Amino acid sequence: NAGVTQTPKFQVLKTGQSMTLQCAQDMNHEYMSWYRQDPGMGLRLIHYSVGAGITDQGEVPNGYNVSRSTTEDFPLRLLSAAPSQTSVYFCASSYGTSGYYNEQFFGPGTRLTVL
Amino acid sequence: AQSVTQPDIHITVSEGASLELRCNYSYGATPYLFWYVQSPGQGLQLLLKYFSGDTLVQGIKGFEAEFKRSQSSFNLRKPSVHWSDAAEYFCAVGEGEYGNKLVFGAGTILRVKS
Repeated sequence: NAGVTQTPKFQVLKTGQSMTLQCAQDMNHEYMSWYRQDPGMGLRLIHYSVGAGITDQGEVPNGYNVSRSTTEDFPLRLLSAAPSQTSVYFCASSYGTSGYYNEQFFGPGTRLTVL
Repeated sequence: AQSVTQPDIHITVSEGASLELRCNYSYGATPYLFWYVQSPGQGLQLLLKYFSGDTLVQGIKGFEAEFKRSQSSFNLRKPSVHWSDAAEYFCAVGEGEYGNKLVFGAGTILRVKS
């Protein structure tokens, strides 16, 4: 099992550019989510999905879009990058929506800089 | 909305000494509680979790945590710290029906003196 994989590891964008951060898991997990990590703020939830075709907003969704067409993949799209989106982005997944199985597995992260 | 407070931004302990990292949360019902560790440049690894039952939970790498409802706390402990424990530690509360939506504290950076 590769677990949760994220690409790219690093990315530099100019203000206004768009891009997609990729996330994939091979554990057949129902639940997937995106967090951003900023110094002194911990991680904050951007969007999440409880299964293919179902997504919802987290705490800080503005400026980001997601879709979930397959169980394995959960891409995060930045529509028009802004310097405030400079952050480290983590994708996570968990087996299901049962309390016992809600341990979340995190990917290695994507470090994004917006100039 | 729920919140998680980790009062200590940095903690330095000597190798072999005991460790306690503090975590306080605000939540109305019995919470799902987690401690994660993050080594520099790495993702997060789950140390332990609590969602019901025994209030003292054991985790990986010799860590344990105690849930105290009266104090709204979930402090992480280790009796003897190793140099490899130097990392950033995050406490989190799980929101939503099954606790999947994590609300994180700001983190505590642990430094270990040799």
